[in-house]
Amino acid sequence: KAGVTQTPRYLIKTRGQQVTLSCSPISGHRSVSWYQQTPGQGLQFLFEYFSETQRNKGNFPGRFSGRQFSNSRSEMNVSTLELGDSALYLCASSSLWDGTGELFFGEGSRLTVL
Amino acid sequence: GNSVTQMEGPVTLSEEAFLTINCTYTATGYPSLFWYVQYPGEGLQLLLKATKADDKGSNKGFEATYRKETTSFHLEKGSVQVSDSAVYFCALTQGAQKLVFGQGTRLTINP
Repeated sequence: KAGVTQTPRYLIKTRGQQVTLSCSPISGHRSVSWYQQTPGQGLQFLFEYFSETQRNKGNFPGRFSGRQFSNSRSEMNVSTLELGDSALYLCASSSLWDGTGELFFGEGSRLTVL
Repeated sequence: GNSVTQMEGPVTLSEEAFLTINCTYTATGYPSLFWYVQYPGEGLQLLLKATKADDKGSNKGFEATYRKETTSFHLEKGSVQVSDSAVYFCALTQGAQKLVFGQGTRLTINP
């Protein structure tokens, strides 16, 4: 069974640009969530989607957005990039939506903003 | 709001030593509690979980007991191996797929 796949794995952008990251969940998983990992702030929740609907959102500015498609694949977008957006962005999928199920994480997309 | 506090690292032990990584939480009600592990160059993996008070999660020789009275979920292993070197994260959820993580504890096991 294929795991969670994130693309691209690494990318470099400059301030002011925008970026789109993609996540393919495990087959059959309908919940997809995104996390930002930085050395200073640790792991922080960005948002969670279930059946194409955003159900939860973390405390991030509106420059961070996401969506989920009918096949459960998800994308997140960061517009007007800032240096502080440099981070590892992790996607996770789950078959249970009640918060007790295991989250399966991808290896992440490492974004560097110059 | 909900929060998780882990013992600060890094932690360095010799092989076969006893491991404890402390984790305490703040939450209203009854959260579910998790330990995730991140091996070098890999994504996060669930190590163990407990969804109600007094539950004990266990996996790969690691154990943690959900203690409501002390709001704790300490991770323990009786005899660590070099392959246990990783970063360990304590986390909680409360009725939603939204994990609140601790800061992580980097563990290094020397042969």
